[in-house]
Amino acid sequence: DTGVSQNPRHKITKRGQNVTFRCDPISEHNRLYWYRQTLGQGPEFLTYFQNEAQLEKSRLLSDRFSAERPKGSFSTLEIQRTEQGDSAMYLCASSLVRGDGNNEQFFGPGTRLTVL
Amino acid sequence: EDKVVQSPLSLVVHEGDTVTLNCSYEVTNFRSLLWYKQEKKAPTFLFMLTSSGIEKKSGRLSSILDKKELSSILNITATQTGDSAIYLCAGRFGGGAQKLVFGQGTRLTINP
Repeated sequence: DTGVSQNPRHKITKRGQNVTFRCDPISEHNRLYWYRQTLGQGPEFLTYFQNEAQLEKSRLLSDRFSAERPKGSFSTLEIQRTEQGDSAMYLCASSLVRGDGNNEQFFGPGTRLTVL
Repeated sequence: EDKVVQSPLSLVVHEGDTVTLNCSYEVTNFRSLLWYKQEKKAPTFLFMLTSSGIEKKSGRLSSILDKKELSSILNITATQTGDSAIYLCAGRFGGGAQKLVFGQGTRLTINP
């Protein structure tokens, strides 16, 4: 399968614990995005990388959230001291930048986080 | 702040019907508008629209952008039960912006 992959697919944790998610983008894609989706809402942008550089972060991304893409390939999203409000589907997407900047983003299956 | 609004939020039709889903946007610097289909998993890309008045088509699905009205529609003809899903509209706005701003989605249910 050459699509975007995410692990784990499901994560249940207790409030206050740290969690880390991984995203492997489509191999030739240089941009990688993280979104969060709650029930009944569209995905909300969290952050994105071009290669290994994190270029934009949403105000939704509190100090408890950190994302990395150390070698410009896979990315990790860590949430420290989880809260019940962090329960959501965390989606990763990747794209290949073109000259005009317009590019479709392809999504992975997501990691569903439940904080008890 | 850039915003995308979809209507209706929910739609129930019978198999074989034709449906039209609406998306409108309020933006400072429009770049493109995208449609996705979401079943019980991640959004699947359908169309990307950048030019007004040019219809994009894929099988029974088609979409068109109206930059004057700041809106787009997604049409599905001869609907099938497999078309049941949430349809998401998203916009890319701003000079260097790469993020997508999504609407709430339209939940489409096709009854046999």
